[in-house]
Amino acid sequence: QKEVEQNSGPLSVPEGAIASLNCTYSDRGSQSFFWYRQYSGKSPELIMFIYSNGDKEDGRFTAQLNKASQYVSLLIRDSQPSDSATYLCAVIPTADGLTFGKGTHLIIQP
Amino acid sequence: DAGVIQSPRHEVTEMGQEVTLRCKPISGHDYLFWYRQTMMRGLELLIYFNNNVPIDDSGMPEDRFSAKMPNASFSTLKIQPSEPRDSAVYFCASNQARAYNEQFFGPGTRLTVL
Repeated sequence: QKEVEQNSGPLSVPEGAIASLNCTYSDRGSQSFFWYRQYSGKSPELIMFIYSNGDKEDGRFTAQLNKASQYVSLLIRDSQPSDSATYLCAVIPTADGLTFGKGTHLIIQP
Repeated sequence: DAGVIQSPRHEVTEMGQEVTLRCKPISGHDYLFWYRQTMMRGLELLIYFNNNVPIDDSGMPEDRFSAKMPNASFSTLKIQPSEPRDSAVYFCASNQARAYNEQFFGPGTRLTVL
């Protein structure tokens, strides 16, 4: 069974610090990796996607991928209270459907 | 664009009743996905369609669940008969053919089966 694992948290980070969110996946053939943010009671929204090994930066967000270790992470710099949400890691193992982790609940403390 | 539209937003029903959830994808999107989210199991893919054709329904939990997409702008997810363990938030999502696979989610339907 193809799985995506995340620490459920909560992960508490002081405002202005770097929040680091981690995810591992079981299907070595996975090619596409996504980070979604979900506020309580709302639907998931895409933050970042990454296909290649290494880092990808977009504003305060950096996605990191290491296919050899089957590991993907999301860094949030200069964390803001508005970043408090659940962050879902998602992987496309084969065709088109996404396999989601259960998410990490992030709390940014003012 | 109005985004993905789902109805109803909330549904409360009694065990044994039929439940129908509806979704209108974003115009021009070729793929439509149905997900279920619970605290215990997280976000699970139930079924997805490409150009109105069901491609993978391996996530559909039981024969009580069925989904249709009669045209490019409408899909339904039906549960018959419903059970309390079906209580969850059901999301519909759509995207264009393998652009970079960003999926746009609807607001979800919160289903409670008593």
